[in-house]
Order: sequence, then C-alpha cells, then structure tokens
Amino acid sequence: KAGVTQTPRYLIKTRGQQVTLSCSPISGHRSVSWYQQTPGQGLQFLFEYFSETQRNKGNFPGRFSGRQFSNSRSEMNVSTLELGDSALYLCASSLEIDSPAFFGQGTRLTVV
Amino acid sequence: GENVEQHPSTLSVQEGDSAVIKCTYSDSASNYFPWYKQELGKGPQLIIDIRSNVGEKKDQRIAVTLNKTAKHFSLHITETQPEDSAVYFCAAIDNYGQNFVFGPGTRLSVLP
Repeated sequence: KAGVTQTPRYLIKTRGQQVTLSCSPISGHRSVSWYQQTPGQGLQFLFEYFSETQRNKGNFPGRFSGRQFSNSRSEMNVSTLELGDSALYLCASSLEIDSPAFFGQGTRLTVV
Repeated sequence: GENVEQHPSTLSVQEGDSAVIKCTYSDSASNYFPWYKQELGKGPQLIIDIRSNVGEKKDQRIAVTLNKTAKHFSLHITETQPEDSAVYFCAAIDNYGQNFVFGPGTRLSVLP
C-alpha cells in the first residue's frame, strides 16, 4: 500500500507570494490533517478535512487555507507569505481522527 | 484544550541500554495516545500507540504504558541500537478540537 505522498518536497518562495502544497493520502483514508513543524514551536495543527469538509481548524491566521477533493487528496494554500512561514509542512492521513495517523515526508518551505 | 508535556528533551544512552520517555496530558477525556519517531529529513513515523482501555502494549523492543489516573504515558525502548537515534514525539487527542496535540519531542542518541 502506498504511503502518504506530499509534493513538492522543497519550495523556495519570496515574501508576499502565495504557495500551494499537495497531499495524497493512503488509499481508503478519508481524514487528512495538516501540521506545521518548526524548531521553536514544534508540531502545530493547522486543519483537518474529512470527506471534503473542514472539520477542525487550528490557531493560524486566515492566510492559511485548505481543501479536500472527492478522491481525498488535499491541498493547503498560504497567501501573502511571511518569513515566519518557513517551516516543514506535514500532512497525515487516517481512517478517522482517533485512528492511527500516517505522515508524509513533508514539504520544506523556505520564504526569503 | 489538551496540553502535552514530554521529558526529557534530550536523552543519551549506550547501545544495549534501555531508554524511557515520559509524557503527561491534561484532558482526562483523551483516549488515544500514539508515539512517533522522526529521523532527519523525514516525516514522523508511527511506532506504537495505545488506547485508554489498555494499560500496556508491546511490540518487540518497544512498549508503551498508560496511567489514566495520573494522566501520563511512557515509551520504553529496550536493547537500544544506533538506528533508534531520532526525535520521538508523543501525542494525545484533543477531544474539543478533535486533533492531535504533540509533545515537544525527545532527541534520543544511542552511542555505540
């Protein structure tokens, strides 16, 4: 069974630009969660989607948004990038929110 | 919401020794506790998990114990090997937000 796939692996963007990250979950998993990982703040929850609906959202500004498609693939978008948005963005998929969650390799975003 | 603390932040052990990482959580309603291992440049990998109706779970050299009364759970690694060197994260479900809350991580170094 293929694991969680995130693309791209690395991104360099300029302040003020926007970026879209993609996540393909494990086949059959309908819950997709996104996390931001930084050395200072650790792993922080961004949002969770289940069957194309955002069920939960973490404490991030509205510049961070996401969506989920009918095939459970998910994208997250960050608009008006700031230097502080530089981080590893991780996607995790699971059958349900309290089921084992499996992470992708992450997308390393650098904002310059 | 849920708050997860994790200790120690760094741990060095000799190859063959045991390693123990401890976590405490705040929400008594939390019922699912996974542990993740993250190697450099990779996403977190689920290594073991435990539900609140179980006190202990073992998988080869890895075990997790849960004390619901004290609201703490621990990861035990026996006969450590150099390839066990990584950052380990514990997590608990935030039953309000229905998302994982992660501990700050423990950097384990197994010295040959």
